[in-house]
Amino acid sequence: QLQLQESGPGLVKPSETLSLTCTVSGDSMTSSSYYWAWIRQPPGKGLEWIGSIYYSGRAYYEPSLKSRLSLPLDASKNQFSLNLTSVTAADTAIYYCVRHFVVAGSIPQFDHWGQGSLVIVSS
Amino acid sequence: QSVLTQPPSVSGAPGQRVTISCTGSSSNIGAGYDVHWYQQLPGTSPKLLLYANNNRPSGVPDRFSGSKSGASASLAITGLQAEDEGDYYCQSYDNSRSTLYVFGTGTKVTVL
Repeated sequence: QLQLQESGPGLVKPSETLSLTCTVSGDSMTSSSYYWAWIRQPPGKGLEWIGSIYYSGRAYYEPSLKSRLSLPLDASKNQFSLNLTSVTAADTAIYYCVRHFVVAGSIPQFDHWGQGSLVIVSS
Repeated sequence: QSVLTQPPSVSGAPGQRVTISCTGSSSNIGAGYDVHWYQQLPGTSPKLLLYANNNRPSGVPDRFSGSKSGASASLAITGLQAEDEGDYYCQSYDNSRSTLYVFGTGTKVTVL
């Protein structure tokens, strides 16, 4: 059974880098059917796609975050990560790692979600 | 910056039917891209509820159904149950280059 688990600091200072890691168990990250994504949700608000990465390294980013974002992936460890630089209070959110399932004839769907990791940006 | 608009809230008594609309534009739903729906129960992660407009993943009751027409989509819950109370989000793809994968603003379903 596929499981995704986020890990990382729950508190980050303004202007510093937010770093989270997602560990995937129960499936291979190198399947051609999957991207691996990050989605965030500010407290009490809606969902925002951050970016998606393929095992080959091909990645797609939310344009408004692209200049501050990197999504490294290490398939040998079954992990992918999120690095967001120069954070502000606006980056405070629950961060979810998600499997982004590519389906022929349709747009990819976010079909498995981690439990989420709350990251607060505050001094 | 959600580009798919949903009503903030809908409510209904147990057993009733409620619908949630999701209004997009010519760069997303109106361009022919499919819509997926997610259910987020209180204190939990979102869960894929419907994919490609009206398809249920294994385990999702047939009380949930969806449709799409033009630049809009809708989710219907028939036979509303207390366990359905939570937030619902639509999601699609946008080709405007301002973003790629877009979510709706979210709708809170309250069972009276």
